[in-house]
Amino acid sequence: GEDVEQSLFLSVREGDSSVINCTYTDSSSTYLYWYKQEPGAGLQLLTYIFSNMDMKQDQRLTVLLNKKDKHLSLRIADTQTGDSAIYFCAESIRGTYKYIFGTGTRLKVLA
Amino acid sequence: NAGVTQTPKFQVLKTGQSMTLQCAQDMNHEYMSWYRQDPGMGLRLIHYSVGAGITDQGEVPNGYNVSRSTTEDFPLRLLSAAPSQTSVYFCASTSIDTQYFGPGTRLTVL
Repeated sequence: GEDVEQSLFLSVREGDSSVINCTYTDSSSTYLYWYKQEPGAGLQLLTYIFSNMDMKQDQRLTVLLNKKDKHLSLRIADTQTGDSAIYFCAESIRGTYKYIFGTGTRLKVLA
Repeated sequence: NAGVTQTPKFQVLKTGQSMTLQCAQDMNHEYMSWYRQDPGMGLRLIHYSVGAGITDQGEVPNGYNVSRSTTEDFPLRLLSAAPSQTSVYFCASTSIDTQYFGPGTRLTVL
C-alpha cells in the first residue's frame, strides 16, 4: 500500500546543516514535496521535485531523490532558529490528485 | 490573491452539536480536499472533490459530510460532534502540480 515515513524529531545547532529524511512506498508518484508548518499555521510549500529528477537546489535547500531506494531527503544549509518547524514529506500519485503525507519531522534549532 | 481561506480559526463545540467549517479558494482549482491533523499521525484525508457537484470519501470520512455547489467553496459539516473529532482541520486546493493549504481550523469538542 501507499505509505510515507519520517522520523519524528531532529535537533541541530544554529549554523549547522539539517538533513530530514523520508521514505515512500509508491513507485508511481509524480512529484515529491516538502512542506513546512510553523506553530499554529498551515502547511507552506517549501519545494518539490519531479520524480524523474535526482536533485534540486533552491538557495539553502537541497532535495535529493533516490528512486531505487525510494528515499527523499531535505538538506537545510546554515540552519537558523527560524527554521524550527515541522517538515512534512508528501508524494502525489500519478494519474490522480491524491497526496500521501508523512507524519512530519519536528526540527528544533538550538541557539 | 487570497489563495485558500478557512473560517473559523478556532471553535469549541459540545458533544452532539453540529457545525460547518468553511473553505474557499480563488485559484479556480477543480480539486479540493479536507484533512485533519492529529499529533504523530500527519495529515489524514477526510473528503475530497474533483469539481462542482462531485465529492468522494477519503481515509477517515465517518462523521463528516461535504458538498461542492461551486468551484470556489468546499464546506465540511460535522453532523454530531464527538470528542474524537478534536483536531486541526485543513482545507487544500490543488493545481496540476501543487497543493495549497488554508491556515486551518482548530476544533475542540468537549
